[in-house]
Amino acid sequence: NAGVTQTPKFQVLKTGQSMTLQCAQDMNHNSMYWYRQDPGMGLRLIYYSASEGTTDKGEVPNGYNVSRLNKREFSLRLESAAPSQTSVYFCASSIGQGEKLFFGSGTQLSVL
Amino acid sequence: GQQLNQSPQSMFIQEGEDVSMNCTSSSIFNTWLWYKQDPGEGPVLLIALYKAGELTSNGRLTAQFGITRKDSFLNISASIPSDVGIYFCAGRTGNQFYFGTGTSLTVIP
Repeated sequence: NAGVTQTPKFQVLKTGQSMTLQCAQDMNHNSMYWYRQDPGMGLRLIYYSASEGTTDKGEVPNGYNVSRLNKREFSLRLESAAPSQTSVYFCASSIGQGEKLFFGSGTQLSVL
Repeated sequence: GQQLNQSPQSMFIQEGEDVSMNCTSSSIFNTWLWYKQDPGEGPVLLIALYKAGELTSNGRLTAQFGITRKDSFLNISASIPSDVGIYFCAGRTGNQFYFGTGTSLTVIP
């Protein structure tokens, strides 16, 4: 079982460049999430999708967009990367909202 | 967002010792989760707690949902080198989870 798969594992961008982080889960979960992890801070929610066809802002959505492509896949897009978006990004899924979260292995993003 | 205070920030212990860490908040939570994160990896779920006072074990790990619903505790007994990592708590209010800043555990053989 792969669980939650994220790509890429590492990425370096220049300020202003765009990119999309991909996430897929094979657990037939309804809800999916994007978090960022910064030193000295807890994981913070960027966006989530409670179910296929819906997306909502989390705690820190500015500068990001998401797409719930289907039940399995949830992507995170940075349209114009900024140094403040240097972080480790984690995708997670759960059977439903408020249920146990299962995480991918993360994407380490550096914006220069 | 909600503030979750996790302590201690870091621990250095001898192999075989027991470990205790906790997570506190000024807010009431309905679920507590405990995760372990290894370097370069995502958090892995260790224990889930669903009601006040609940005590749940997973091998050498035991976690408790505080009776005030504002705190949770994780104990690791007889630590081994592979227990090294960062331990995170997460509390749920509504449908959203909030995460602590982590306790970094180092086990000295």
